[in-house]
Amino acid sequence: DTAVSQTPKYLVTQMGNDKSIKCEQNLGHDTMYWYKQDSKKFLKIMFSYNNKELIINETVPNRFSPKSPDKAHLNLHINSLELGDSAVYFCASSQTWAYEQYFGPGTRLTVT
Amino acid sequence: TQLLEQSPQFLSIQEGENLTVYCNSSSVFSSLQWYRQEPGEGPVLLVTVVTGGEVKKLKRLTFQFGDARKDSSLHITAAQPGDTGLYLCAGARTGGGADGLTFGKGTHLIIQP
Repeated sequence: DTAVSQTPKYLVTQMGNDKSIKCEQNLGHDTMYWYKQDSKKFLKIMFSYNNKELIINETVPNRFSPKSPDKAHLNLHINSLELGDSAVYFCASSQTWAYEQYFGPGTRLTVT
Repeated sequence: TQLLEQSPQFLSIQEGENLTVYCNSSSVFSSLQWYRQEPGEGPVLLVTVVTGGEVKKLKRLTFQFGDARKDSSLHITAAQPGDTGLYLCAGARTGGGADGLTFGKGTHLIIQP
């Protein structure tokens, strides 16, 4: 019974393409997040989102955009992919008032 | 920008030894969390500490939050090979994590049988 799921698990694509990663949580949480983990395993927040507010990390290029069809889903769209976008992307969720976040299994994106 | 300095970055010890991982910052956090990450998986929450000076125990793992809420430590007693993994500390600025967590760079722990 997966709490936070992501698809696909692996994504290999060429520079310049546009791709999406999907995330779903069945925990009833109202806030979702996207994190990027680089090759040195450093995790950095990209976005946090609930039905009222999108908080964007100022270092994230505007080629990245989160889209939320409903509270249980937060997808990540990436336009004009670049080599430097290669990383593992994690979705997470929490209750807005809670500290604990629950992470998905990650999507390894490789841009060639 | 709030930073969390985690040390050591790498640690390889023998089974049965004790170890401590440190997480330090010059900034105050409303909470600190410790996660463990296995290869190919997402981070899994181990513990959350909220109150300055708080100590929490999870079997052989002891977590402490500094009095000033700027630092934390993870102590493992009698380490086992099953403790091998990437340990991450993470801080929340606000009274919830709504603006995301700030992570340390992680400690790669290897426990040799």
